[in-house]
Amino acid sequence: RKEVEQDPGPFNVPEGATVAFNCTYSNSASQSFFWYRQDCRKEPKLLMSVYSSGNEDGRFTAQLNRASQYISLLIRDSKLSDSATYLCVVTPKTGGFKTIFGAGTRLFVKA
Amino acid sequence: ETGVTQTPRHLVMGMTNKKSLKCEQHLGHNAMYWYKQSAKKPLELMFVYSLEERVENNSVPSRFSPECPNSSHLFLHLHTLQPEDSALYLCASSQDPEGLTGNYGYTFGSGTRLTVV
Repeated sequence: RKEVEQDPGPFNVPEGATVAFNCTYSNSASQSFFWYRQDCRKEPKLLMSVYSSGNEDGRFTAQLNRASQYISLLIRDSKLSDSATYLCVVTPKTGGFKTIFGAGTRLFVKA
Repeated sequence: ETGVTQTPRHLVMGMTNKKSLKCEQHLGHNAMYWYKQSAKKPLELMFVYSLEERVENNSVPSRFSPECPNSSHLFLHLHTLQPEDSALYLCASSQDPEGLTGNYGYTFGSGTRLTVV
């Protein structure tokens, strides 16, 4: 089983749609969770951290389910500019530079 | 300049060449990283420097040689590479010297797209 697993997609959605991605992780001792966004041929950029209580930033909502070992990202009212690859990132409690990146989920938002 | 800057943006080199990638961070971070990103694969950690000391080397071939002269600069020296080394090489920095990313994650540079011919 991969340490961090994501559905590669692509997800093709119309503008205005709501879309959700899940990411599962295998290390139950994981502590920090993030979603990064990576545009085509660009570097990854931090989208949001994921907190145990769930958190929201505008149209984006992140959730953490420790019991089932997954995190999710919900995008409401999708925009064309949301088209990108979304990377799930997990850091274990021990740190030690063991942060693991998922391979990413591709999203295409179409007019 | 702010953030993390990498040069060059693009590099084409022959298998017998020697070249270096440069990374500079202006964030006052304590740790710097080299990652390799190949098509449709997750980022692969290559090297980590924390407080200017190498703390992680993920079984990277010796044809890749890192150098960290100070907390703001990181180099990746390349020699006798193979075509399968063609990839996007990303430099990143983070605040915590123990590899805990806290709530801040990593800041990446724009990357060097390397093609080995």
